Amino acid sequence: QVQLVQSGAEVKKPGASLKVSCKVSGYSVTELSIHWVRQAPQKGLEWMGGFDPEDGETIYAQKFQGRVTMTEDTSTDTAYMVVSSLRSEDTAIYFCAIYADRSDAFDIWGQGTMVTVSS
Amino acid sequence: DIVMTQSPLSLPVIPGEAASISCRSSQSLLHTNGYNFVHWYLQKPGQSPQLLIYVGSNRASGVPDRFSGSGSGTDFTLKISRVEAEDVGVYYCMQGLQTPFTFGPGTKVDIK
Repeated sequence: QVQLVQSGAEVKKPGASLKVSCKVSGYSVTELSIHWVRQAPQKGLEWMGGFDPEDGETIYAQKFQGRVTMTEDTSTDTAYMVVSSLRSEDTAIYFCAIYADRSDAFDIWGQGTMVTVSS
Repeated sequence: DIVMTQSPLSLPVIPGEAASISCRSSQSLLHTNGYNFVHWYLQKPGQSPQLLIYVGSNRASGVPDRFSGSGSGTDFTLKISRVEAEDVGVYYCMQGLQTPFTFGPGTKVDIK
């Protein structure tokens, strides 16, 4: 059974960068399409981007283009997301999730990583 | 971008009774493969979202059969035939037809 375990909570200052990890167990990260979704406090879900296996490339929501980078380390089966130039509006819970072929949906989610951006 | 709307935004329910949530998209979610690319998630308090229904009407693994999804094109419905206390949380519809994937604002279901 595939599982996703994310890194712990972070507190960052405005302008800093953030790196969140998402460790895959039960599968190789190369066999999966990992996406990232965030949720601001008391708000809804916002898709940030993820790996498109059809193109073999990572796609980003336009609002995050240039400020967010999603990568994978195949040696440790871990996915990473880096957010640069943090601002207070980036305060949110960040989730990694698997986009599954069998459902065309996000069917496995990580536990979430709380990120607080504050001076 | 495809805009997803939901109604109601708040839904008090009585255990044992039926409940229904509506979701509408700003454009058709009907894929060329014949499936509607709308999915339903439940986020229980303090938890990650969990997939309930995918491509309109298919229950995800382990989801009780009291949950059902229907609809086509731009109008979709999630029904709970007999609400149980464990069903409280926020329900989201999401379109997976095209990027950026977008979610509805959520419907908060709690016990009346």
